Amino acid sequence: DAGVTQSPTHLIKTRGQQVTLRCSPISGHKSVSWYQQVLGQGPQFIFQYYEKEERGRGNFPDRFSARQFPNYSSELNVNALLLGDSALYLCASSWGTSLSYEQYFGPGTRLTVT
Amino acid sequence: DAKTTQPPSMDCAEGRAANLPCNHSTISGNEYVYWYRQIHSQGPQYIIHGLKNNETNEMASLIITEDRKSSTLILPHATLRDTAVYYCIVMPGGGADGLTFGKGTHLIIQP
Repeated sequence: DAGVTQSPTHLIKTRGQQVTLRCSPISGHKSVSWYQQVLGQGPQFIFQYYEKEERGRGNFPDRFSARQFPNYSSELNVNALLLGDSALYLCASSWGTSLSYEQYFGPGTRLTVT
Repeated sequence: DAKTTQPPSMDCAEGRAANLPCNHSTISGNEYVYWYRQIHSQGPQYIIHGLKNNETNEMASLIITEDRKSSTLILPHATLRDTAVYYCIVMPGGGADGLTFGKGTHLIIQP
């Protein structure tokens, strides 16, 4: 069975630009979460979506937005990119919103903002 | 605010048991202890979680003290592939606030 997939693998953008990252969850999983991992730190929670609705949000500015599609895949959008947005963006899927469900993480998208 | 305290790094010999401690002295009654690990250049991987009883699965054992203020993750027979950053996370089981990762313990398995 395929795990969580993310695209693209790597991305280079310029300050002020906009970026869209994509995530496909494990088949049957209805919950998708997004995390940002800056070099040397643990992942930081950005959003959780379940059944196409936002169920949780971390402490990130409104430049960050996301959505989930009927097939449960998800996109993360970041507008007006800053140098500090350079990070590994991780997507995780699970059966439901509870943390008691194992979170399966994808390999991440490495975003570099110059 | 960090809810857990972990040593920044540990070494363990290959084939020996690796015991990773975690202090969570302010844990609430509805909070679980979760362990995830992250191998270099990969996404985090779930290991195990528990509320107050000891837990065991095919990867590891989780020992939680009776007062729940600390726990130990045990990898019974460490291999080189177990070299990773191990995160101890304390959070309520319900809700949708995501996992709060700290800095974790960098476990290095020595050949």
